Amino acid sequence: AQSVAQPEDQVNVAEGNPLTVKCTYSVSGNPYLFWYVQYPNRGLQFLLKYITGDNLVKGSYGFEAEFNKSQTSFHLKKPSALVSDSALYFCAVRDTGQAGTALIFGKGTTLSVSS
Amino acid sequence: NAGVTQTPKFRILKIGQSMTLQCTQDMNHNYMYWYRQDPGMGLKLIYYSVGAGITDKGEVPNGYNVSRSTTEDFPLRLELAAPSQTSVYFCASRTGRGTDTQYFGPGTRLTVL
Repeated sequence: AQSVAQPEDQVNVAEGNPLTVKCTYSVSGNPYLFWYVQYPNRGLQFLLKYITGDNLVKGSYGFEAEFNKSQTSFHLKKPSALVSDSALYFCAVRDTGQAGTALIFGKGTTLSVSS
Repeated sequence: NAGVTQTPKFRILKIGQSMTLQCTQDMNHNYMYWYRQDPGMGLKLIYYSVGAGITDKGEVPNGYNVSRSTTEDFPLRLELAAPSQTSVYFCASRTGRGTDTQYFGPGTRLTVL
């Protein structure tokens, strides 16, 4: 079965420091991977996706993600965190074994950036 | 651009009541989805549709029904509300072509008492 794991419930970083939010996946075939962000009482906003090509994917708001096939990981990164980055982050993989090819989500990681 | 819209934003139901959560998209997307979000659990797929007149169950369909009579609308029906259906519900859509992105509505927060 296809799945996504986010091993950290919460990540705490100081403003200006680099941040990493971890994600590992398990799929059959080539993975289509996504990161979304959710601010309090809001819907999910798309950040970036990996389909094929370069292992380093750049997305919105200065975020990037590194795809590592051998480690089955897709970690979200940002060189310098902002307090406004504080939110809930979801990693997801497309379920290619299902007709609707919906997304399978991890449980989410709360990012807290302190000033 | 309205994108994906959902109504209502909030609702409180009593056990056994029924209601319909509305979802509309104006992007001419073929694929639409309903997810529920519970704290610490991520999002779980309830139902999906790959086009008007075509719907199918996701991971957690029990207690829900859907219909898709038009490309734009994908309502979710709760027939006999139960406390276990207390959750935040998100509608999403995508074109359905290749590697496109799925876009989400703002959500409906439902409480069943």
